[in-house]
Amino acid sequence: GQQVQQSPASLVLQEGENAELQCNFSSTATQLQWFYQSPGGSLVSLLSNPSGTKHTGRLTSTTVTKERRSSLHISSSQTTDSGTYLCAIDRSNTNKVVFGTGTRLQVLP
Amino acid sequence: GALVYQYPRRTICKSGTSMRMECQAVGFQATSVAWYRQSPQKTFELIALSTVNSAIKYEQNFTQEKFPISHPNLSFSSMTVLNAYLEDRGLYLCGAKTGADTQYFGPGTRLLVL
Repeated sequence: GQQVQQSPASLVLQEGENAELQCNFSSTATQLQWFYQSPGGSLVSLLSNPSGTKHTGRLTSTTVTKERRSSLHISSSQTTDSGTYLCAIDRSNTNKVVFGTGTRLQVLP
Repeated sequence: GALVYQYPRRTICKSGTSMRMECQAVGFQATSVAWYRQSPQKTFELIALSTVNSAIKYEQNFTQEKFPISHPNLSFSSMTVLNAYLEDRGLYLCGAKTGADTQYFGPGTRLLVL
């Protein structure tokens, strides 16, 4: 079945540093989303980026579909960025979304 | 815009009792609804997928007898956790979509079992 691997599993940064999160998937994806899960557990959609590069605020996502990978770059990290970042892919012919293993980010003041 | 609401956001039930959770799609027609569970220290795993005019498909390790799902119209779905035990605790997520569009997710229902 479809697998989604994320790296690193955890990351600790000082406030102001940049973060680079990776997502690799085993099969072709027609949809790819990045999510933020707060320490309290709620899920927030950050970006939908099945291909190419997208920016929103301090976030930049680049997806190379042929290589089955996506990255999420967080610039000038803040303590409030701390939490878990999840990559999820969807194939239109299955209607199923497969979530990655997540990267736990901790930003220190 | 497209939104998905879930209710309740957080709930506690006694071991052996049942808990019903709801999912509401607003701003689009939910032709398919998927329910996921995130157990402690794990990522989200699919429980079942409900598509209009098709039978509900449960993933391995999940059954209709344990997690009955209702999808009566294009804006609402509910799932019940029957006879909940400690291993059923976690965050239950509802994802809904129209056709091949992006799946939209609710904030989840957190279930604690005592």
